[in-house]
Amino acid sequence: SYELTQPPSVSVSPGQTARITCSGDALPKQYAYWYQQKPGQAPVLVIYKDSERPSGIPERFSGSSSGTTVTLTISGVQAEDEADYYCQSADSSGTRVFGGGTKLTVL
Amino acid sequence: QVQLQESGPGLVKPSETLSLTCAVSGYSISSGYYWGWIRQPPGKGLEWIGSIYHSGSTYYNPSLKSRVTISVDTSKNQFSLKLSSVTAADTAVYYCAREHGDPYYYMDVWGKGTTVTVSS
Repeated sequence: SYELTQPPSVSVSPGQTARITCSGDALPKQYAYWYQQKPGQAPVLVIYKDSERPSGIPERFSGSSSGTTVTLTISGVQAEDEADYYCQSADSSGTRVFGGGTKLTVL
Repeated sequence: QVQLQESGPGLVKPSETLSLTCAVSGYSISSGYYWGWIRQPPGKGLEWIGSIYHSGSTYYNPSLKSRVTISVDTSKNQFSLKLSSVTAADTAVYYCAREHGDPYYYMDVWGKGTTVTVSS
């Protein structure tokens, strides 16, 4: 079955830039999406179609794509950005797939 | 704005069927979009279960397909999940969500989630 691979954890100091990667063989053909999930809360969409930002999401969140890897970048990280982040895409049959998640720690 | 709310039993016995409903407000299901279910076992990641189009067409995760049924009731503006023959591995927080379809497969509005425990 199709898999998306994320690093388990990323740590940054406040004000620095955090980059979270997601790798998958089908990413050159399928868009990627990113969700932020804080403890005890439902996920929130922060990036769609690789690099589009939904209304209400701060400009410090951005997404990019290169080959089989997509990247979520958070510029000027704030304490409130500490959360789990999940990438999501789909395989060729339309089955939605999530990455394993990355825990972002703000030091 | 669009809101989704899950409801159903919080405790299900092994081998029985888990049944959940998602009530949608602020948008008519019959107007479009897909409507899906996602789950998250304790301390683990997200898993897509499946989704249904407003017309009734269904799409399931192959790993769960043999046990899953998703249906829609446009008159009540809600959709439902049934998962049969449950085991402890089905213990999770279950979310319902509004989904975009081909070629943009993503969830833009989520319910708050409901916890389901499988135990005798």
